[in-house]
Amino acid sequence: GDSVTQMEGPVTLSEEAFLTINCTYTATGYPSLFWYVQYPGEGLQLLLKATKADDKGSNKGFEATYRKETTSFHLEKGSVQVSDSAVYFCALLFNQAGTALIFGKGTTLSVSS
Amino acid sequence: DAGITQSPRHKVTETGTPVTLRCHQTENHRYMYWYRQDPGHGLRLIHYSYGVKDTDKGEVSDGYSVSRSKTEDFLLTLESATSSQTSVYFCAISGTGTFLYEQYFGPGTRLTVT
Repeated sequence: GDSVTQMEGPVTLSEEAFLTINCTYTATGYPSLFWYVQYPGEGLQLLLKATKADDKGSNKGFEATYRKETTSFHLEKGSVQVSDSAVYFCALLFNQAGTALIFGKGTTLSVSS
Repeated sequence: DAGITQSPRHKVTETGTPVTLRCHQTENHRYMYWYRQDPGHGLRLIHYSYGVKDTDKGEVSDGYSVSRSKTEDFLLTLESATSSQTSVYFCAISGTGTFLYEQYFGPGTRLTVT
């Protein structure tokens, strides 16, 4: 079935380091891909998305490119801040109203100063 | 931010008791969802609604029921709570128009069943 696999965490970085969180997916069709972020004690916030192959989503310095050939959607940021510490979820959604997001298990990022 | 509130935000209940969680939206959007979040599982869909009185089951619907009598409210009921239903519950809504295929989440309800 359709699924999302994320790299295991936690990921621990120093401030200003480069971040990559790997995400790969298995899907029978052509889903949209998303990254959500969850700060401690809060709900999930949509960070960025891409709706078709080769699209790049970007927001707040984070980027991810929809790679159909490698079925990947890796999240990157050039210089992380302490405030980026959170749990990051990769997810896919087929473009049909009412369908469920399919989530990866989440990757915890901890950034120290 | 999407106008989604959940109540209560925290609840402790005993095994066998009924529990109802409420999701309220101010966006007047058609689609609403209930997910549960558990360590090692990410989020999984319990039920969703595609309009007033129109609901359907998700991946992990056993032991849960839902109701939607008004566009703005989507209720999740645990008829007889069990310890396996200890979790964090999130409500979500779909956007509209070009944002129809995005989902926005509420702040969550942490439920503990003892």
